[in-house]
Amino acid sequence: GDSVTQMEGPVTLSEEAFLTINCTYTATGYPSLFWYVQYPGEGLQLLLKATKADDKGSNKGFEATYRKETTSFHLEKGSVQVSDSAVYFCALRAFLSNFGNEKLTFGTGTRLTIIP
Amino acid sequence: KAGVTQTPRYLIKTRGQQVTLSCSPISGHRSVSWYQQTPGQGLQFLFEYFSETQRNKGNFPGRFSGRQFSNSRSEMNVSTLELGDSALYLCASSSTATADTQYFGPGTRLTVL
Repeated sequence: GDSVTQMEGPVTLSEEAFLTINCTYTATGYPSLFWYVQYPGEGLQLLLKATKADDKGSNKGFEATYRKETTSFHLEKGSVQVSDSAVYFCALRAFLSNFGNEKLTFGTGTRLTIIP
Repeated sequence: KAGVTQTPRYLIKTRGQQVTLSCSPISGHRSVSWYQQTPGQGLQFLFEYFSETQRNKGNFPGRFSGRQFSNSRSEMNVSTLELGDSALYLCASSSTATADTQYFGPGTRLTVL
């Protein structure tokens, strides 16, 4: 079955540091890949997505590139801020038919804390 | 455009009771999915509805059920509550049958005592 593996947390960085959160996946077919972010006490917000190999998703300074050859979708940001402190989830959805809105499969989440 | 709304936001029940949670999708969205989030199991898919029909179901016992109305609003019901049902229940909506993006609501925090 489909699965997503994220780097274990928690991750603690100083403000303006470089961030990488690793994500690898296994899936049948050609999945779409997503990063969601969850702030304390809130639901999930879509951060970025990529729907085919070599696509780069980007938003709010975050980037991730869909690498089919390494089955990876690592999240990066060049200079993190205190406001980036949250839990980050990598997710995939692999379509099996034209009529199925297949479920999202999530990684376990990575808690990120940025220290001023 | 208003986002996904879920009611209630917080709920406290006791074992053996039943509970109904409500989700209103983004206007125009016809697909609604439900997820359970717990510290131990993470985010797990419950079920997905499109045009009032359940299309996908996760690996949860029959105590968990749902439905979707003609206006796309959805409800999920949990009967005979157990302590392990304590979780954040998240609803997500998407715009098309093969939507590639799901938008989440803030969740309903259920505590079972």
